[in-house]
Amino acid sequence: EIVLTQSPGTLSLSPGERATLSCRASQSVSGNYLAWYQQKPGQAPRLLIYGASSRATGIPDRFSGSGSGTDFTLTISRLEPEDFAIYYCQQYGPPRGTFGQGTKVEI
Amino acid sequence: EVQLVESGGGLVQPGRSLRLSCAASGFIFNDYTMYWVRQAPGKGLEWVSGIRGDSSDTAYADSVKGRFTISRDNAKNSLFLQMNSLRPEDTALYYCVRASRVAIRLFDYWGQGSLVTVSS
Repeated sequence: EIVLTQSPGTLSLSPGERATLSCRASQSVSGNYLAWYQQKPGQAPRLLIYGASSRATGIPDRFSGSGSGTDFTLTISRLEPEDFAIYYCQQYGPPRGTFGQGTKVEI
Repeated sequence: EVQLVESGGGLVQPGRSLRLSCAASGFIFNDYTMYWVRQAPGKGLEWVSGIRGDSSDTAYADSVKGRFTISRDNAKNSLFLQMNSLRPEDTALYYCVRASRVAIRLFDYWGQGSLVTVSS
C-alpha cells in the first residue's frame, strides 16, 4: 500500500500570501493518479485537483497542482479568506486509494 | 444537481449492528461506482468500502473486512452499508461518495455524512 506523507502539518499564513503544500508518496504513484481535496470545518471534502495538475470543475485558477512520481505539490497563489481549511492528498491508483494525513492552512 | 444524503447513524453499543443508507439524486446512479469513506473525530479520511455500478465487484478496507457489507439498490438510487460487530474504533462520520467517471477511485461528490458512535 502506498503511504502518503503531507508536510507541513500546519501552515500559518495571511490572506494574499502564497501557500505551498507537499505530498510525498512511499513509492511512485502510477499514472500520476494524485488528487487534492479541501475540507472546511463542518463540511465534506471537495475535490480540487486530479491527475496531479488538472483542476476539478469550478475550482478557481489560484489553485494549481504539480509533481510526478513520488513528489507532489499543491499551490494556492494568493490565499483568499475562504481558503483557510485542511487539505488532503489522495493517490487513486490500484488496488485502492489512500489519503495523506492532511495539512491545515490557518491564518 | 448531484445530491447524496446519508441516514441511519447513531449511538450503538460495541458488538451491535447498524445500517447506513445513502439516497442519491441528480445523476444516473447505476452508471457510477460508489463508496463509503469515514473520518474519525478530529482525524483524517479513511476509505471504507466501494461497489461497482452493477454490484459486480465490491472492496473493503482491511479494518472492516468480514464485518461490514456494502450493497446498493439501483431501482431506488440507494447505497447501503451494513455494519456488524461494531467496535469503538469504528466511531466516525461516514460519508457516501461518488466515484468520478475519470477514475473509479477518484471521489468527485460527497454527502454531508452520518455520524456513528460506538460506545457502551
